[in-house]
Amino acid sequence: SQQGEEDPQALSIQEGENATMNCSYKTSINNLQWYRQNSGRGLVHLILIRSNEREKHSGRLRVTLDTSKKSSSLLITASRAADTASYFCATDANNNAGNMLTFGGGTRLMVKP
Amino acid sequence: AAGVIQSPRHLIKEKRETATLKCYPIPRHDTVYWYQQGPGQDPQFLISFYEKMQSDKGSIPDRFSAQQFSDYHSELNMSSLELGDSALYFCASSSQVRETQYFGPGTRLLVL
Repeated sequence: SQQGEEDPQALSIQEGENATMNCSYKTSINNLQWYRQNSGRGLVHLILIRSNEREKHSGRLRVTLDTSKKSSSLLITASRAADTASYFCATDANNNAGNMLTFGGGTRLMVKP
Repeated sequence: AAGVIQSPRHLIKEKRETATLKCYPIPRHDTVYWYQQGPGQDPQFLISFYEKMQSDKGSIPDRFSAQQFSDYHSELNMSSLELGDSALYFCASSSQVRETQYFGPGTRLLVL
């Protein structure tokens, strides 16, 4: 079964609005990473948040992590048309020998100019 | 800054043929990961290497094998290709276990 699942699956907003994407996972984790992917292209790393962290910021991005609820959220503020992409959360579970990532379903974000 | 390099970027093969995908990690990164992303699907972990030793194994078919070489580059060998192997294959690297994984641009494999 999926380690991470994302909500919503698709989100359409106007430029300048904020976009919030949620991710839930099942097992305990070492860290959770958010990635962006433009259609058919590579995965661009956005933020890594560790299990002992609750919130992290990077530019217009804000990530929260609630390990008690096994969930994370990604907030993009003042969105731009260039933010249009799919956004994935990926978890590095505690029971991994290495740190294989398990990806969620992804949220397809469309920002309309 | 140097990124992960993958070659080739595109590959077209016939069923039952073999394919070799190459990955060159970011300099000084010692861990390499391979992921497969089918059309409209999430990336799925295949296999990883740390200091040239296999460290994790995911949903990698027995027809596939991989290794990491002394210069830390990695190769994914795929034999007896099937139509269902058509996908984007990503390589990622990290400087240590449990750190950020940086992904390459991917190799798009089409099996006809």
